[in-house]
Amino acid sequence: RKEVEQDPGPFNVPEGATVAFNCTYSNSASQSFFWYRQDCRKEPKLLMSVYSSGNEDGRFTAQLNRASQYISLLIRDSKLSDSATYLCVVIKRSGGGNKLTFGTGTQLKVEL
Amino acid sequence: DAGVTQSPTHLIKTRGQQVTLRCSPISGHKSVSWYQQVLGQGPQFIFQYYEKEERGRGNFPDRFSARQFPNYSSELNVNALLLGDSALYLCASSLYEGNYGYTFGSGTRLTVV
Repeated sequence: RKEVEQDPGPFNVPEGATVAFNCTYSNSASQSFFWYRQDCRKEPKLLMSVYSSGNEDGRFTAQLNRASQYISLLIRDSKLSDSATYLCVVIKRSGGGNKLTFGTGTQLKVEL
Repeated sequence: DAGVTQSPTHLIKTRGQQVTLRCSPISGHKSVSWYQQVLGQGPQFIFQYYEKEERGRGNFPDRFSARQFPNYSSELNVNALLLGDSALYLCASSLYEGNYGYTFGSGTRLTVV
């Protein structure tokens, strides 16, 4: 089983739709959680952190469920510019440093 | 301010050769980590360095090595290249090892033929 699992998609949605992505992680000792966005042939960029209390940034809402080892990202009112791959990232302290484990990514295509 | 810079941007090597990839972190950032991203997959952790010391190592063979210099820049070396080493190699920097604010460079695209 992979340490971090995501549905690869693609998710094809019309502009204005609400779309949700899920991510599960296997290591219960994982400490911090993030969503990154990666555009085609570009580097990943931090989208938002994920907390148990949930956090919102404009149209984006992230949620962590530690008991179920599950992370989610909700995008409301999708824009064409939201088309990208969304990577779930889990961080665990290891050997004095941080080990980032990425999911495979979920591809989103927002269409007119 | 300059972001994380990586060089070269693209590279073509033949099997068996050696390659050195370079990374300059954001000014003031002391931690550098390296990732390999194969097409269609998420980045895979290779190494993390902080204050010139290795702080973490992913599940990669000994053909992969790295170091960090006093100015916090870093090099990733790969020996005896295999076709399967073809990937985008990403470098990320953060302020210190316990800081989670990672910024990625645009990567070096390595093709092994």
